[in-house]
Amino acid sequence: DAEITQSPRHKITETGRQVTLACHQTWNHNNMFWYRQDLGHGLRLIHYSYGVHDTNKGEVSDGYSVSRSNTEDLPLTLESAASSQTSVYFCASSERQGAGTGELFFGEGSRLTVL
Amino acid sequence: GENVEQHPSTLSVQEGDSAVIKCTYSDSASNYFPWYKQELGKRPQLIIDIRSNVGEKKDQRIAVTLNKTAKHFSLHITETQPEDSAVYFCAARLRGDDKIIFGKGTRLHILP
Repeated sequence: DAEITQSPRHKITETGRQVTLACHQTWNHNNMFWYRQDLGHGLRLIHYSYGVHDTNKGEVSDGYSVSRSNTEDLPLTLESAASSQTSVYFCASSERQGAGTGELFFGEGSRLTVL
Repeated sequence: GENVEQHPSTLSVQEGDSAVIKCTYSDSASNYFPWYKQELGKRPQLIIDIRSNVGEKKDQRIAVTLNKTAKHFSLHITETQPEDSAVYFCAARLRGDDKIIFGKGTRLHILP
């Protein structure tokens, strides 16, 4: 069955370290997204990609970067982790408008703690 | 860009009663409005969606209504059950753009 997986599921790191969260989907979806979930803020869009070599900033992109070298993967990098980036991170994917229902399929989430 | 407001942030209803969650969106070009349910410790999952050419959609005990003039849409859950306890997110997507913007969520508690 097609799926979307994230790793690691839990990570503790120190302020200033670089961290990369992996996201891999086997849906063959063009669209991939990274959201962060914080109490009181819901799901906020960090970065997204509509295809290979395409990346776009979301509403809370400062301190994060992504790259899309193939259809399946969209890794999220925190260049220099800050305590404010402690959060649960969700990767998601979808088909292009018109090509499918538009439903977002989420990964299981990655809980990041920055000390 | 699009902005989605969601109310209330917390809702408690007696089992068997109805629950209503309301959302507003800012961009009249939005044409797709999904609702996601997130159980504790789990990933969000789509429960129902509505497109701008439809005013209402039902699926068993859940229904969504859309008022394009007011830029307002709502989720209605009837005959609530304990398994309806979760966080619910409304969202919107602009025509011609694939990104989905979420509201801040509503924590629904079903009381025995």
